[in-house]
Amino acid sequence: QSVLTQPPSASGTPGQRVTISCSGSSSNIGSNYVYWYQQFPGTAPKLLIYRNDQRPSGVPDRFSASNSGTSASLAISGLRSEDEADYYCAAWDDSLRNWVFGGGTKLTVL
Amino acid sequence: EVQLVESGGGLVKPGGSLRLSCAASGFTFNFYTMNWVRQAPGKGLEWVSSITSSSTYIFYADSVKGRFTISRDNAETSLFLQMNSLRAEDTAVYYCAREGLQCSGDTCYSNGFDIWGQGTMVTVSS
Repeated sequence: QSVLTQPPSASGTPGQRVTISCSGSSSNIGSNYVYWYQQFPGTAPKLLIYRNDQRPSGVPDRFSASNSGTSASLAISGLRSEDEADYYCAAWDDSLRNWVFGGGTKLTVL
Repeated sequence: EVQLVESGGGLVKPGGSLRLSCAASGFTFNFYTMNWVRQAPGKGLEWVSSITSSSTYIFYADSVKGRFTISRDNAETSLFLQMNSLRAEDTAVYYCAREGLQCSGDTCYSNGFDIWGQGTMVTVSS
């Protein structure tokens, strides 16, 4: 299983706000920045959030993120059908000296 | 256009070897740490290896340590992954990814994997 723990699925209706959690430990989220990636089927991942809560240019401000202690969360407000994708959290792990990813959350827009 | 293009994937028997390449263009390659990330069919992302801009620091996931070797040629703006002793569980799409760093004095922070290639499929099967 993955070092970072995410729920396998999440869902919401258009316009709703949904959050995706990512749980880690003191050696990763507890001491390093968290990153979020979005991936559509058959395509490469895309950087969505870097250094906990920063959005790369071009990422809508509907996407936001925060973290507290050894957990992080991604929030998507004003949910749209095109947000339906897989979302992954990631962080550097000081003990493993590795990047670690969450198992991914499949977001469904109902 | 900023671009990463992987090549070298294919079908290989267990115990065999394969060398992946990633051609970079549109940015100053030797400024960036580069990474390999893989994704087994229907599974999540798994980081494989990182190499810093001057190849000073190299890191591997435990699952590939001793079998895979990452390298780069800054003059040719290319990243490589030599994969030996391949196993069925190495079957995956392999992505190369650029990692930006923001440094202040002696401290550097990652800006994440901001550019990804399209991926190359590696299948290990008899």
